[in-house]
Amino acid sequence: KAGVTQTPRYLIKTRGQQVTLSCSPISGHRSVSWYQQTPGQGLQFLFEYFSETQRNKGNFPGRFSGRQFSNSRSEMNVSTLELGDSALYLCASSAYLAAEVYEQYFGPGTRLTVT
Amino acid sequence: KNQVEQSPQSLIILEGKNCTLQCNYTVSPFSNLRWYKQDTGRGPVSLTIMTFSENTKSNGRYTATLDADTKQSSLHITASQLSDSASYICVVGIPANQAGTALIFGKGTTLSVSS
Repeated sequence: KAGVTQTPRYLIKTRGQQVTLSCSPISGHRSVSWYQQTPGQGLQFLFEYFSETQRNKGNFPGRFSGRQFSNSRSEMNVSTLELGDSALYLCASSAYLAAEVYEQYFGPGTRLTVT
Repeated sequence: KNQVEQSPQSLIILEGKNCTLQCNYTVSPFSNLRWYKQDTGRGPVSLTIMTFSENTKSNGRYTATLDADTKQSSLHITASQLSDSASYICVVGIPANQAGTALIFGKGTTLSVSS
């Protein structure tokens, strides 16, 4: 099976602009989670989508939003970009293992730089 | 507060040597503990997943141990190789049926293997 793919891999934007990142999960996986990774904070959970519905949301401002399509592909949007939004954005699709244990498969990430 | 602490923050070892990375957590309730390897600029890749009933799990030269009583885990790397240079992230899962918020991430240990 093909892995999780994310596009674009690299992005440079200016403060105040908006950006849309895309994620295609592993075929058959219906859950997609998004994370922000910065050197100081590590991985922080943004939100999770399951069957086109946002199931959970982390502690991020409303400038961060997402959606999921019927084919499970997901997009993440950040509006009014700030310098602090510079980070590696990771997408993960999940497969149920057993006893409420899910394995998460991460994509390569999108490196966003805000100048 | 649910937290995962890793030590050391960074480590440099010679190729061929063994090393052990530590993880302490204050997460409750506890479901599982994972170790991920993240190469620079890439997404994390799962090395091991252990539930509370498992004390040890191996994946090639990687061996993870778990002491649920003391809430400690370690990742032992045997006969290190240059390709082991990466960030190793300890992640604790809490019982949930939502994959995203069910994981608490440590900030990682950066391992550098030199020749």
